[in-house]
Amino acid sequence: TQLLEQSPQFLSIQEGENLTVYCNSSSVFSSLQWYRQEPGEGPVLLVTVVTGGEVKKLKRLTFQFGDARKDSSLHITAAQPGDTGLYLCAGHPLNDYKLSFGAGTTVTVRA
Amino acid sequence: KAGVTQTPRYLIKTRGQQVTLSCSPISGHRSVSWYQQTPGQGLQFLFEYFSETQRNKGNFPGRFSGRQFSNSRSEMNVSTLELGDSALYLCASGGSGAIREETQYFGPGTRLLVL
Repeated sequence: TQLLEQSPQFLSIQEGENLTVYCNSSSVFSSLQWYRQEPGEGPVLLVTVVTGGEVKKLKRLTFQFGDARKDSSLHITAAQPGDTGLYLCAGHPLNDYKLSFGAGTTVTVRA
Repeated sequence: KAGVTQTPRYLIKTRGQQVTLSCSPISGHRSVSWYQQTPGQGLQFLFEYFSETQRNKGNFPGRFSGRQFSNSRSEMNVSTLELGDSALYLCASGGSGAIREETQYFGPGTRLLVL
């Protein structure tokens, strides 16, 4: 059982559309990170959210941390083919040293 | 600053063999973590080393082991390979030394195929 549940598992959209990826848990996290991984490469950190209710923006990407620090979302506005990749959320639950990852959401943006 | 490097990038082994993977962290980083990534299980934490000591360990059998050298470079060893060990093995480094390192910088991974 994954500590972090990501949905959807797969997402295929047309260039210019918006998309949202969700990351949920029953556990409280001290922080959550979002990574993007492209084929044949390691995950690259996009953002870390730390405070409950926090919203961070990175160009067309908006990240939100839930008030209770149990969930997070990633919203991409006007998606582009370059946004294609595997999006992973990860975090340290309270009192756990291990970094846990969600299973990932594969996003495909068609030109 | 150079990123995390992993060697080799690709490896093919047969069942029963053993394999050693290498990871060089970002210069100045002292923490190195290893992960196994498979389509079915996703990213699974193997272990973490800090200053040559294993600090945390995931739920993997004893066939998986590792070590860290004084220059922070790390190696991971898998003995008696099984078909299910086929995966992308990722190394990540962190710099602050905090036990619950918040930011992990990943290498490109070593793709291991066990036949």
